[in-house]
Amino acid sequence: DVKVTQSSRYLVKRTGEKVFLECVQDMDHENMFWYRQDPGLGLRLIYFSYDVKMKEKGDIPEGYSVSREKKERFSLILESASTNQTSMYLCASSLHQAVPASFGAGTRLSVL
Amino acid sequence: SQQGEEDPQALSIQEGENATMNCSYKTSINNLQWYRQNSGRGLVHLILIRSNEREKHSGRLRVTLDTSKKSSSLLITASRAADTASYFCALMEYGNKLVFGAGTILRVKS
Repeated sequence: DVKVTQSSRYLVKRTGEKVFLECVQDMDHENMFWYRQDPGLGLRLIYFSYDVKMKEKGDIPEGYSVSREKKERFSLILESASTNQTSMYLCASSLHQAVPASFGAGTRLSVL
Repeated sequence: SQQGEEDPQALSIQEGENATMNCSYKTSINNLQWYRQNSGRGLVHLILIRSNEREKHSGRLRVTLDTSKKSSSLLITASRAADTASYFCALMEYGNKLVFGAGTILRVKS
């Protein structure tokens, strides 16, 4: 089974801090995704990457950036955290577009 | 970009009844996927249906896809209390972009 590991389950940060959320997958998957999940809004795509050093904006990229220096690792960066970025963040990966994605357990981020 | 629109937003049924959830979308897709999320947990993949397929089954799950109407449905037959969860449709667009709907909250009462 594919394992997608997110570095933290819970994170508390202060407004203005730079925040790094890390995601690692162990199955050589091409595609990786970052979503945020808020009640009533489902999962909204922040960024995705289909190859090393490649990144594409999702539907809500504002306030976020990403890094994919190695195939197995996809990092989400909040340059200056704000309270409206308090949310559950989910990372996923997939081998290619024709197969389903595997998800990490999520990181619940609180920005105070 | 598009997002799948799911209907209903919430569904409450008795154990043993069937549950049907619908997903509509706007533009062409490579495939459509259904996921389940139990409270406080990560997402689990249920079924993937390709754009050239019309129906797929997996145990008590049946998914249909109508590309002319740009809609899909997920049917859970003989529901159980353990099926209580949120269900999401996800659209794999061409270009590897995977976008989700807002989800349907299913509650199965025993």
